[in-house]
Amino acid sequence: GAGVSQSPRYKVAKRGQDVALRCDPISGHVSLFWYQQALGQGPEFLTYFQNEAQLDKSGLPSDRFFAERPEGSVSTLKIQRTQQEDSAVYLCASSLARLALKTQYFGPGTRLLVL
Amino acid sequence: TQLLEQSPQFLSIQEGENLTVYCNSSSVFSSLQWYRQEPGEGPVLLVTVVTGGEVKKLKRLTFQFGDARKDSSLHITAAQPGDTGLYLCADTGTASKLTFGTGTRLQVTL
Repeated sequence: GAGVSQSPRYKVAKRGQDVALRCDPISGHVSLFWYQQALGQGPEFLTYFQNEAQLDKSGLPSDRFFAERPEGSVSTLKIQRTQQEDSAVYLCASSLARLALKTQYFGPGTRLLVL
Repeated sequence: TQLLEQSPQFLSIQEGENLTVYCNSSSVFSSLQWYRQEPGEGPVLLVTVVTGGEVKKLKRLTFQFGDARKDSSLHITAAQPGDTGLYLCADTGTASKLTFGTGTRLQVTL
């Protein structure tokens, strides 16, 4: 079966541009997570959805970051007015249920470079 | 805020050698997971440990959870080039988000 897919895989943006990153979770997975991974670091939590409800957005670094999952499946992470410090790999993960002990399956990530 | 420190940061060894990497937390883990991440890919779960003192084995990998549930180690026996990657520990927390450690980058050469 298909895993978590993300698009685009690579994105180069000029500072100040808006970007949209897409995540297609595993079919039927209730929970969806976004993480940001800076070069050489572990991923850091950004936000969490259970179906279409965004239950936790405590990790979003600023109000330039916005995520949505309107129909409870595909999710989009949008970054407005990108800055150089936004350069990172953005990982999406999905899991079958709400509980953290349920395995999170990660996509390959979108590598964002802001020039 | 919980801090997860992993050591060493980098490790370069030859095929066939043994190695151990460590994960230490500033607070007690809810439960601990170990992941391996290969270049250009997302992390893949290796194991989940819940109980203090727990030991789990996965082929050549041995995972140990400290008695006080604040530290863990991952031991690899007879490393192979396919073990190359970034090893991450993570706390599952009381909610659903994972808190990851700083990572250990392992390179195994022929």
